[in-house]
Amino acid sequence: EAEVAQSPRYKITEKSQAVAFWCDPISGHATLYWYRQILGQGPELLVQFQDESVVDDSQLPKDRFSAERLKGVDSTLKIQPAELGDSAMYLCASSSGLAWDNEQFFGPGTRLTVL
Amino acid sequence: AQSVSQHNHHVILSEAASLELGCNYSYGGTVNLFWYVQYPGQHLQLLLKYFSGDPLVKGIKGFEAEFIKSKFSFNLRKPSVQWSDTAEYFCAVNGKNAGNMLTFGGGTRLMVKP
Repeated sequence: EAEVAQSPRYKITEKSQAVAFWCDPISGHATLYWYRQILGQGPELLVQFQDESVVDDSQLPKDRFSAERLKGVDSTLKIQPAELGDSAMYLCASSSGLAWDNEQFFGPGTRLTVL
Repeated sequence: AQSVSQHNHHVILSEAASLELGCNYSYGGTVNLFWYVQYPGQHLQLLLKYFSGDPLVKGIKGFEAEFIKSKFSFNLRKPSVQWSDTAEYFCAVNGKNAGNMLTFGGGTRLMVKP
């Protein structure tokens, strides 16, 4: 069964360092999402891509976060510099398209701890 | 803007007890509604979804949910829980005019005692 792949699964870093997370969506899925899930809360959408284009990044803290999907397949989410409040689970999801009835499939996530 | 509220943050039940988790949403239009489950150490997975039609939807593992439009609710139910249902449960909404962007509730952590 096809799955969304993410790496690394765990990342520990010190504040002010740069970190990057990678996501490989289900093959053929044009739409890719990055969510942040703070402990004890539900996932919150950070950015949504359709192919290589950003559809929505209104909740992405652009002073320190960046996301790219250069070839419209896999994607990288970067934080520079990391802050203590960035400690969270970062989830990637993909769907076959932007239509509102396209199911989103989630990856296992990257758990970030900032010390 | 769309929002989701889950009333119970933590629920503890004994095996065979009945379960009902509350979910209310806010959106001024047509919605799709979802329940996702996250078992310990596993990724988020879809439990069930409502798009249209019969407001009572059945999902995997004996779960069901009822969409009550007049109450903006989509409560999750299971008549008899098992220890293996211990997990965190998230309600989510996707408004028709909001693209395919899910808004999640804060989650309910369910612990089932054997």
